[in-house]
Amino acid sequence: EDQVTQSPEALRLQEGESSSLNCSYTVSGLRGLFWYRQDPGKGPEFLFTLYSAGEEKEKERLKATLTKKESFLHITAPKPEDSATYLCAAIYGGATNKLIFGTGTLLAVQP
Amino acid sequence: GAVVSQHPSWVICKSGTSVKIECRSLDFQATTMFWYRQFPKQSLMLMATSNEGSKATYEQGVEKDKFLINHASLTLSTLTVTSAHPEDSSFYICSAPGVIGANVLTFGAGSRLTVL
Repeated sequence: EDQVTQSPEALRLQEGESSSLNCSYTVSGLRGLFWYRQDPGKGPEFLFTLYSAGEEKEKERLKATLTKKESFLHITAPKPEDSATYLCAAIYGGATNKLIFGTGTLLAVQP
Repeated sequence: GAVVSQHPSWVICKSGTSVKIECRSLDFQATTMFWYRQFPKQSLMLMATSNEGSKATYEQGVEKDKFLINHASLTLSTLTVTSAHPEDSSFYICSAPGVIGANVLTFGAGSRLTVL
């Protein structure tokens, strides 16, 4: 069954304490792996798209990487404003623009 | 920049009534829009693909007669929850592709539906 699994479900960090979020996928013919940020009561906000194993993308304190089985979202020296739910999603097979989402990682960064 | 706008952001209704949620693409045309539903502490689940000028495509398990989708123009898609019941209470989010990139979805802010 095609699915996207994220871990951990929740993560609490101290400000400045770097860590990584994991997204494992078992889909046939991955065409794109996406990371979104979702604040409470809001729609997801696009962060990154990764298309092939070995690809990396960075934005401020965030860096996303992709292997053939999983993706990582590395957060370096996080700040309280980085607190949010981070969602991973995949486009696969012949589906165009139809994303399958993971359940997300709820990140809390304490000052 | 280009935005996907949803209205209302929240709505409370009585059981048995119908509720319409609008999704507009601002400053761009969207021939396709996607409707998602998100229950508390769960991920986004695709409900249907809204196609301008044609019938929507529903995902397996989603009742098309209960969740009516109309995409009458290139900038507006509507989701109507008919005869709503408490179990329909959820966060409904629409999205459109092609603003940031061809395969990247831009999401609206979502609509919180509470059915009493």
